Parts: sequence; structure tokens; C-alpha cells
Amino acid sequence: AQKVTQAQTEISVVEKEDVTLDCVYETRDTTYYLFWYKQPPSGELVFLIRRNSFDEQNEISGRYSWNFQKSTSSFNFTITASQVVDSAVYFCALSEADNYGQNFVFGPGTRLSVLP
Amino acid sequence: GAGVSQSPRYKVAKRGQDVALRCDPISGHVSLFWYQQALGQGPEFLTYFQNEAQLDKSGLPSDRFFAERPEGSVSTLKIQRTQQEDSAVYLCASSLEELGVRETQYFGPGTRLLVL
Repeated sequence: AQKVTQAQTEISVVEKEDVTLDCVYETRDTTYYLFWYKQPPSGELVFLIRRNSFDEQNEISGRYSWNFQKSTSSFNFTITASQVVDSAVYFCALSEADNYGQNFVFGPGTRLSVLP
Repeated sequence: GAGVSQSPRYKVAKRGQDVALRCDPISGHVSLFWYQQALGQGPEFLTYFQNEAQLDKSGLPSDRFFAERPEGSVSTLKIQRTQQEDSAVYLCASSLEELGVRETQYFGPGTRLLVL
């Protein structure tokens, strides 16, 4: 069965610091999809990125960047020059190629606190 | 445009009561998902609809949980004879096409259910 591990339960940084959130996954499929979602205190999950297993290019979107390494089964997320508004719980998620729901799992989340 | 909306946002129920949680997906979205999120954990899949068809209900924890989407738009998650362990946030998500969990899902704000 597939699994997502986010080893960092909580991280605190001071504003303007860079921070990396780790995500390690397990799957037997060769085709799969990885996601990152942000959950601010309001509770709504906000989509950040979707990546399929055949696209190993790293991606940058403003202050956000993602590093996908199939060799280590990791999909890490870096926030550059963090801001207080980045404070939230961040979830990594994995979907296998089958579109059934039991094949979609979230990690336990990492709570990021950015202090002014 | 309007995102996914859910009502009520908060619900307090006495143990043994029935509750009904509503989800209005993004207009035109084919797929609809329900998740249960316990405090401090990642969301867990409950059920998946493609239009009005419930294609996957493998995540529903017991036969007290029932979901429907009769006209392929609004969905209702019903919990009968609520128990204290049902206390959680119930999240609804929708996606544009029929690719199931492989596709990006857009989440609503959730309904926080507290069973006393």
C-alpha cells in the first residue's frame, strides 16, 4: 500500500528565512501523482502543485519551489524568504494511477509557523 | 468564480442524532469527493462520485455513513446515530473531469462536527 511520510511535525522560522518541508513517499506503481496542499487556519485546503511521476523537472513558482527526486522517493517543498502569511499546515499527498479513492493518501502534515 | 462551499460550517450533535452535511461543488465539476479529517491529522478519503454515480465508497467507516449526489451536482453526507468518534472536520472537494484522484481537487472550507 502507498504511504506518505512528512517527518517534520512542526517547524518555526523567522520571517525572511528559507524553509524546506520534506515529503517521502512509498508506492509500487510506476505511474503516480504527487501533490502539495496548504491548510491555513481557516481550514480550507489550498492546492499548490501537482506532479506526475514521469516529470522530474523541478518547479519554481514565485517564492515556492519543489524538488522531485525519484531516486530517493522524495518531493520536497521550499519556501524562499518566508512570510507570516505562509504560516499553515502543509500536506503532501500521493495518488496512484488507479482513480479509486483508496489509492489517494495524505501525509500527516507539517505545521509551519513564520514568526515576525 | 465561486469555489466549493459547504454547510453548515459547524455542527454540534448529541450522541445518537442523525446529521446531514451539504456540499456544493464548483459548477461543472464532474467529480466530487468527501474526506474526514481528525484533529492534527491529514484528510482521509471517504467516498467519490463521478456525476451522480458513487464509484468508490471504500473509505466510509461504517454503515452509519451514507452519501448521495442525486443530480450530479450538490452532495449530502449523512451520518446516522452519531458517535463521539465521528467528531472531525468533513471536507468536500471537486475536480473538473472524471480522472478521480489523479486529478487536482479543489476543497471546500469543511464542516466541523462535534458529537457530545
